[in-house]
Amino acid sequence: GENVEQHPSTLSVQEGDSAVIKCTYSDSASNYFPWYKQELGKGPQLIIDIRSNVGEKKDQRIAVTLNKTAKHFSLHITETQPEDSAVYFCAAFMEYGNKLVFGAGTILRVKS
Amino acid sequence: DSGVTQTPKHLITATGQRVTLRCSPRSGDLSVYWYQQSLDQGLQFLIQYYNGEERAKGNILERFSAQQFPDLHSELNLSSLELGDSALYFCASSVDSGGDYEQYFGPGTRLTVT
Repeated sequence: GENVEQHPSTLSVQEGDSAVIKCTYSDSASNYFPWYKQELGKGPQLIIDIRSNVGEKKDQRIAVTLNKTAKHFSLHITETQPEDSAVYFCAAFMEYGNKLVFGAGTILRVKS
Repeated sequence: DSGVTQTPKHLITATGQRVTLRCSPRSGDLSVYWYQQSLDQGLQFLIQYYNGEERAKGNILERFSAQQFPDLHSELNLSSLELGDSALYFCASSVDSGGDYEQYFGPGTRLTVT
């Protein structure tokens, strides 16, 4: 079936600390894994993505890792700042149905 | 700003009514996707159009329909509205037809059915 599980559902960190959000997916044929950040009252914003031919990708303070064997991928945010506070969604592309399936979201709070 | 526009921003209507939500994709994008976001169901894919043709279908109710016009804007029509249809509706666009291309979301339409 199609399923993306995301953990934790809420995460509080101190400013400057790192935050890690993990997702697992069910479809072994999935080959594309984007991450979105959604601020209150706004649409989801694509922040980083990774494809199955790559194990890790970095963009400044954000990195994503992918373990295809275990079918899980993670978002890492280093040196967190208050403006990183938002809801983060992972997603996996399901070839059957040609669609993105999203995780339930993680509320990240960065305390200053 | 993603470049995807949606109107209206808010919509309040009564049960049994019909509404139309509008979306304009980013310049150069040929695909439009519609999503529903609710507290209990999360972000759910409804339907995708590519260059005017339906490309993929997700959890879209029969009461809902969509189309994409020659200028590539898209409309999502919701009819016989029920209280449970209250949600945020997002459209996203991407350059190509495959769902594994980067999708950029609009600001959404908040629908409240009373």
